[in-house]
Amino acid sequence: GAVVSQHPSRVICKSGTSVKIECRSLDFQATTMFWYRQFPKQSLMLMATSNEGSKATYEQGVEKDKFLINHASLTLSTLTVTSAHPEDSSFYICSARRGAGGTYEQYFGPGTRLTVT
Amino acid sequence: AQKVTQAQTEISVVEKEDVTLDCVYETRDTTYYLFWYKQPPSGELVFLIRRNSFDEQNEISGRYSWNFQKSTSSFNFTITASQVVDSAVYFCALSERASGGSYIPTFGRGTSLIVHP
Repeated sequence: GAVVSQHPSRVICKSGTSVKIECRSLDFQATTMFWYRQFPKQSLMLMATSNEGSKATYEQGVEKDKFLINHASLTLSTLTVTSAHPEDSSFYICSARRGAGGTYEQYFGPGTRLTVT
Repeated sequence: AQKVTQAQTEISVVEKEDVTLDCVYETRDTTYYLFWYKQPPSGELVFLIRRNSFDEQNEISGRYSWNFQKSTSSFNFTITASQVVDSAVYFCALSERASGGSYIPTFGRGTSLIVHP
């Protein structure tokens, strides 16, 4: 199956700093990428959907200025958590899909665990 | 209201027992897709199955089987002869067409399965 990588897998940063997480589709072109957030023992909460070359569509309640998403190419999307605070500590998971339709398989990255101290 | 309901928060079984994980969904669309994912302790989501709304045929894959019933809006997942390695959180997801035309998946809260030796 297709492979999606995320980097870094773990990051610890100090409050007030910004953190960038990369999501790459390694062997396919991802027209659509998704960013999820998962708190311990909870479900995946969709943060935003991004289509290559377009601005990301954020879910209600997700701050656009805090969680900057860039989908500059068909194989790379980045999530930047700006001015991170302890409440931003979470498990962030990206997902990539070849197209917008539901028939397309959605591949998940291994996740990035962010800890803000 | 939740679109995907996984009423079982946690299930605990002994190895070799059969176990069924329930999933009930809600949608007004006629075309939609249902998924099951496994999330082991490592955190990475593993795709198990995708079903489109026009295919009610049940599926068996080794010890795994899925029962899709549109009449009850359910897509249940059964593991036969469970093994310790089956211990994980299992997510059911529904993908339906969003206003922008893209299919957006929504995840249930997940069911934590613990298989004891």
